[in-house]
Amino acid sequence: DIQMTQSPSSLSASVGDRVTITCRASQGISNYLAWYQQKPGKVPKLLIYAASTLQSGVPSRFSGSGSGTDFTLTISSLQPEDVATYYCQKYNSAPCSFGQGTKLEIK
Amino acid sequence: QVQLQQSGPGLVKPSQTLSLTCAISGDSVSSNSALWNWIRQSPSRGLEWLGRTYYRSRWFNDYAVSVKSRITIDPDTSKNHFSLHLNSVTPEDTAVYYCVRDHASGSHWGQGTLVTVSS
Repeated sequence: DIQMTQSPSSLSASVGDRVTITCRASQGISNYLAWYQQKPGKVPKLLIYAASTLQSGVPSRFSGSGSGTDFTLTISSLQPEDVATYYCQKYNSAPCSFGQGTKLEIK
Repeated sequence: QVQLQQSGPGLVKPSQTLSLTCAISGDSVSSNSALWNWIRQSPSRGLEWLGRTYYRSRWFNDYAVSVKSRITIDPDTSKNHFSLHLNSVTPEDTAVYYCVRDHASGSHWGQGTLVTVSS
């Protein structure tokens, strides 16, 4: 099975900072990669699919890039409401595994 | 607008079967372009994809290796819903369970159901 590895596992940054989270697949998955944001006690929210397509309604400060095995989620200017845990997920073929998550906090 | 409404018990005894249902509105379980998933989340295991069902001229199922011997995901076209059945549960199966629709336009999630396995 393909493993999804995120880094870092936690991150602390200041409001206005550019933040980057990385997701690596153990084998190539083309661009079948989604990014989710989950706030405490809430359902995960889809931010990006097909590695770089922004879901409708998601602020443009979020962006995704990558293909094959290496992917990146970038927040161009961190806002207080972005405090959450972020997950990547592959979805091209089963099993549709998730990364272990990156917990993002404000300094 | 697609909506998924989950139902099922929040408490299951060890060794019994956990069963949850996901009612679909705004789409059809027989859609040729959607996939219908079950995902769970616990502090110890994070987000864990369990399996999916989908229709592409016939029905297909995929299951995670970790639960493959214990899981069934059933579509019901007459009620437009799909169900999760996980048998021989242990306390390790305690988690929030989500049904999720995947589509080329993105995903939709149910509200989540906390299922506790305890006697």
